[in-house]
Formats: sequence, structure tokens, C-alpha cells
Amino acid sequence: DIQMTQSPSSLSASVGDRVTITCRAGQSISNYLNWYQQKPGKAPKLLIYAASSFQSGVPSRFSGSGSGTDFTLTISNLQPEDFATYYCQQSYSARTFGQGTKVEIK
Amino acid sequence: EVQLVESGGGLVQPGGSLRLSCAASGFTFNNHWLSWVRQAPGKGLEWVGNIKQDGSEKDYVDSVKGRFTISRDNARNSLYLQMDSLRADDTAVYYCARETYWGSYYYLDVWGKGTTVTVSS
Repeated sequence: DIQMTQSPSSLSASVGDRVTITCRAGQSISNYLNWYQQKPGKAPKLLIYAASSFQSGVPSRFSGSGSGTDFTLTISNLQPEDFATYYCQQSYSARTFGQGTKVEIK
Repeated sequence: EVQLVESGGGLVQPGGSLRLSCAASGFTFNNHWLSWVRQAPGKGLEWVGNIKQDGSEKDYVDSVKGRFTISRDNARNSLYLQMDSLRADDTAVYYCARETYWGSYYYLDVWGKGTTVTVSS
């Protein structure tokens, strides 16, 4: 199984901040990497697929980059509705999620 | 409206069995792989397994291999998860999710609201 490791596990930020979350794969996964947002008590929501492609309806302040083993999700101009937990997920071999990054209000 | 609705969760004793269902609507069911994803209380997401459009291919996370079986009925637009030999660490919210592909890239773009499974004596 391909291990996915996110960092940090949690972070505190303010509205308007730029936030970067990192995801590292245990082996090269090309760009078979997706990002999801989950709010408490809700199902996850797809944000980014294929490392950098936007899901329809996702605000442009979300962006993804990376290839191989190292990937990032960037949220520019953090908004109140962005406080949530974010997960990366690989689809190169079976499926694996990272452990999640909780973005909290500072 | 594109929708997935899970059902069948509940309380079961360790060693017991449970069958979850997921009813799909609003899209062409047999065009998509489907996945089950679970989330233990206060924990992160864990992919459980998936099934190909015609049911001919299935894959599972190691921790459920030999205990869980995914199946589908394309005539009924339904996905199933048969869970046997349940353990306390199977306690979780179970989500079904649609897989969509773009080129060779697969992603989970539609999710149900989840059904809760509690394994306890």
C-alpha cells in the first residue's frame, strides 16, 4: 500500500491568510493525487483532482501543485468557510488517504 | 439531482455481520467505479475498497480483506458492503462514493451522507 503523509496535522490561521498544506507519497504517484475538504459531521467534498485540476464550483483561491512524491494544497486569502479538515488521496494504486490537516481559526 | 444514500448501519456485536446498502440516483450508475470509505470516531478517512462498473474487479484495504465483500446491482442502481467477522475497530461512519475518471485519473466526486456502524458488546 502507498502511504500518504500530510503536514502539518493542524494549523491555526486568520481570515485572509495564505495557507499551504503538504502531502508526501511513499513512492512516486505521478500526479494521481486528489484533495478533499471535510467539515464536521459532513461528507468530504472534492476540491482538486489530478494534483492541480479544479473540481467544478470550487473557488479559485484553492490551488494544487506537485508531481511524483510531493504535493501541496494552497488556500490563498483564507475565508471563514475554509476552516475545515483537508485530506489528500492517491489513486495511483488502489486508494489511500493522508491522515488529514485541520485548519483552525487563530 | 445526483445522489447517493447509504443505509443499513447499526449496532452489532463483535464477530457479527452487517450489510450496508447505497442507493444511487441522478446519474448513469453502471458508468462508474464505486468506493466505500469509512471514518472512525474522531479519526481520518480510510478507503475500504472499490468495485468496477460491471463488478468484475474489486479491491480492498488489507485490514478488511477476507472479511468484507463489495458488490453491486446495476439493475437496482445499488452498491453493497457485506461486513463479516466485525471487530471493534470497524466502528465508523461508512460512506459510499462515486468514482469519476478524467483520462486515467480517478477521483471521488459524489459522496453519500454516511451510515454509522458500531461494533460493541
